[in-house]
Amino acid sequence: DGGITQSPKYLFRKEGQNVTLSCEQNLNHDAMYWYRQDPGQGLRLIYYSQIVNDFQKGDIAEGYSVSREKKESFPLTVTSAQKNPTAFYLCASSMGGNEQFFGPGTRLTVL
Amino acid sequence: GIQVEQSPPDLILQEGANSTLRCNFSDSVNNLQWFHQNPWGQLINLFYIPSGTKQNGRLSATTVATERYSLLYISSSQTTDSGVYFCAVVDYKLSFGAGTTVTVRA
Repeated sequence: DGGITQSPKYLFRKEGQNVTLSCEQNLNHDAMYWYRQDPGQGLRLIYYSQIVNDFQKGDIAEGYSVSREKKESFPLTVTSAQKNPTAFYLCASSMGGNEQFFGPGTRLTVL
Repeated sequence: GIQVEQSPPDLILQEGANSTLRCNFSDSVNNLQWFHQNPWGQLINLFYIPSGTKQNGRLSATTVATERYSLLYISSSQTTDSGVYFCAVVDYKLSFGAGTTVTVRA
């Protein structure tokens, strides 16, 4: 069954902790993306990667880090430097710069 | 960056009614996508439409790239159509509008 999976579905973090969100795809897509959604708003791009071992900052990269060691995986780390990390995080993938498909998302709450 | 504006921000419909959602964008784009976000947050792809018109069941979309707008039509609305509809323009990334929240009442 092809698709994009994200884990965990819900994540709680204490202030000062780093947490890593998982994103895996088996669509053989080259490009992967991380977006953040705050309540009542659209999505904003955090990081994206067009090929393995390469990634670029999006519009709101501060306080986040990523890696792309495998084509099918693009984990996002939310660091303690991110001042307001509570949000809904969505991962997407595409073949080149074409139509993007999204995973089910991870809801992160800072306690 | 490219600015994307959606209207109206909120729409309340009686079941069976038709509606039109609009998306304006500020610059030329490679492509455009329409999504439906369900109550659980999942983004469902509706259309990938750089220009012209596409139809999928009760939904259809039209993009006029030269005039920088796209329209999403919902016909014979059902309660399951409720949710937030996003337009996003495709450059190297997706730039999203703020969405239209649609509520369909039985």
